[in-house]
Amino acid sequence: GAVVSQHPSRVICKSGTSVKIECRSLDFQATTMFWYRQFPKQSLMLMATSNEGSKATYEQGVEKDKFLINHASLTLSTLTVTSAHPEDSSFYICSARARDSWYSNQPQHFGDGTRLSIL
Amino acid sequence: RKEVEQDPGPFNVPEGATVAFNCTYSNSASQSFFWYRQDCRKEPKLLMSVYSSGNEDGRFTAQLNRASQYISLLIRDSKLSDSATYLCVVKQGGADGLTFGKGTHLIIQP
Repeated sequence: GAVVSQHPSRVICKSGTSVKIECRSLDFQATTMFWYRQFPKQSLMLMATSNEGSKATYEQGVEKDKFLINHASLTLSTLTVTSAHPEDSSFYICSARARDSWYSNQPQHFGDGTRLSIL
Repeated sequence: RKEVEQDPGPFNVPEGATVAFNCTYSNSASQSFFWYRQDCRKEPKLLMSVYSSGNEDGRFTAQLNRASQYISLLIRDSKLSDSATYLCVVKQGGADGLTFGKGTHLIIQP
């Protein structure tokens, strides 16, 4: 069964809307969560790394004021796309790395992804 | 130069055939290597880790050549269900995220 739950799976909204995506680790504590983005026919690109209780680290070219990340607990990280525009339409995927558990045999556990479409 | 490079394909292969993919990476400090599989509009799923000694998991064999900085994946006796995009993934170690290649699209034909 899924070990990382991502919600919502699909969002369609108007330009200018802010969209929040949740990523939850199930059955394990995730000290680190990652947010990726994938445009059609492109590779997954790491956007940011978030550690519980501290500020996220953003990759070069990713606007931290546009993509707000909150990692308030060991099981939940949220990504908010503020004032989304059509060029933000993409597939957003989170992943979580387990601290000390059976789940640490994989480098990261991925959520199902969120397909965001901005009209 | 891209960090992780793969031939995007598509590779059209008849069922039962053997197919091999290669991938090269640019960062010689990379520490961990993986093959992921991604089905259309789905999240990537770990297929196997790749070790210098080579490793096999059923019909799948992965090899790592650190000197040449390339990774390979061999699929024997291919099945229709093997049709997917195969992502070469590299990790620099520490707390860094994963670096993904664009993927190689494989189509197994009956």
